[in-house]
Amino acid sequence: DGGITQSPKYLFRKEGQNVTLSCEQNLNHDAMYWYRQDPGQGLRLIYYSQIVNDFQKGDIAEGYSVSREKKESFPLTVTSAQKNPTAFYLCASSIRGTGGNEQYFGPGTRLTVT
Amino acid sequence: GEDVEQSLFLSVREGDSSVINCTYTDSSSTYLYWYKQEPGAGLQLLTYIFSNMDMKQDQRLTVLLNKKDKHLSLRIADTQTGDSAIYFCAERRRGSTLGRLYFGRGTQLTVWP
Repeated sequence: DGGITQSPKYLFRKEGQNVTLSCEQNLNHDAMYWYRQDPGQGLRLIYYSQIVNDFQKGDIAEGYSVSREKKESFPLTVTSAQKNPTAFYLCASSIRGTGGNEQYFGPGTRLTVT
Repeated sequence: GEDVEQSLFLSVREGDSSVINCTYTDSSSTYLYWYKQEPGAGLQLLTYIFSNMDMKQDQRLTVLLNKKDKHLSLRIADTQTGDSAIYFCAERRRGSTLGRLYFGRGTQLTVWP
């Protein structure tokens, strides 16, 4: 089955620790995205990548880092510099090109930092 | 404005029609999307409409697009309790880099039995 997987579903960390969230897709999509969702708020874009070894900052990139070494994988690291890291994190992917470029989402990872 | 706007809450009775409204920002946006999010889950793409269309129907879903007013709506016919969720509209702006989408804050739909 094709799709996007995020692991783990729930993640707990102590303040001051870096943590890496996994995102893998087998849809052969070129573009991948990371969003953050807080209660009552919409999705805010953290980072996005169109091709391997290239990525751009979104609206709230501070305190986060990413890598795109493989087409299938786009891990997100939440660093200790992120002031309010507790949130629901969503990964998405889409095909490049001139079509609808609709984004398909993974199930999300809920990160709690105490 | 710069934000995609949606009302935050909508309540309907089971069997009635639901209409969720959205105002987007860019009159030249190429595609407009509707996503559904159930509690604790990711977003599920429901439907999308290309900007040269006024309406798109897919089973119980009808999307209406008014480009002049930059208004998008999603009508759900015969709403069921399983339709209770948060609904997001999103736009793909002309010239937006890397296929980026801009999302509204979501409308929480509650369906009462």
